Amino acid sequence: DAKTTQPNSMESNEEEPVHLPCNHSTISGTDYIHWYRQLPSQGPEYVIHGLTSNVNNRMASLAIAEDRKSSTLILHRATLRDAAVYYCILRDRTGANNLFFGTGTRLTVIP
Amino acid sequence: KAGVTQTPRYLIKTRGQQVTLSCSPISGHRSVSWYQQTPGQGLQFLFEYFSETQRNKGNFPGRFSGRQFSNSRSEMNVSTLELGDSALYLCASSLGAGRDYGYTFGSGTRLTVV
Repeated sequence: DAKTTQPNSMESNEEEPVHLPCNHSTISGTDYIHWYRQLPSQGPEYVIHGLTSNVNNRMASLAIAEDRKSSTLILHRATLRDAAVYYCILRDRTGANNLFFGTGTRLTVIP
Repeated sequence: KAGVTQTPRYLIKTRGQQVTLSCSPISGHRSVSWYQQTPGQGLQFLFEYFSETQRNKGNFPGRFSGRQFSNSRSEMNVSTLELGDSALYLCASSLGAGRDYGYTFGSGTRLTVV
């Protein structure tokens, strides 16, 4: 499984933007970058995914570096409901349709 | 539309017993995966089914098994339960297989083995 590196924890003030980084220096050309989050006492929730270009959806934006060795999940205005563990996951071309969850980044939102 | 439904939500079993957990995917989703979550090991992949066929299996002993029915509903079974099997078991479904699809997770079944 391709590996990603994320900070263990981050803090953000409510209603401010949050930039969650992820390093994936061994990414291959066809690996997709996926982000999931897990709120307390819930199963993981899909957030966003991309391949090369930046992506936007109603939940967040995904900024992918030009060399694809890193990416950033952007929450435009953090709310208390965004407090969760965020996982950056690479999905590779082997056809193994499983998600390899690392330790993720625990985001704390301060009111 | 209804999400991924897992039953039961909570379960207490005795060591040595066996248990069956159920997962109903989102309507139209053909891929169902199972994960185990524990405080020590985090989220770990168990297995994945697509159109009733197991396509991939994680690194778990043979006591863990599963199956998928023609309506895409899935069950996982754990035989000869051990204390270390206490965990949150999560099911996830996806419209298709492949790395361009996202997964929708259920809320999980909390299994406690005593």
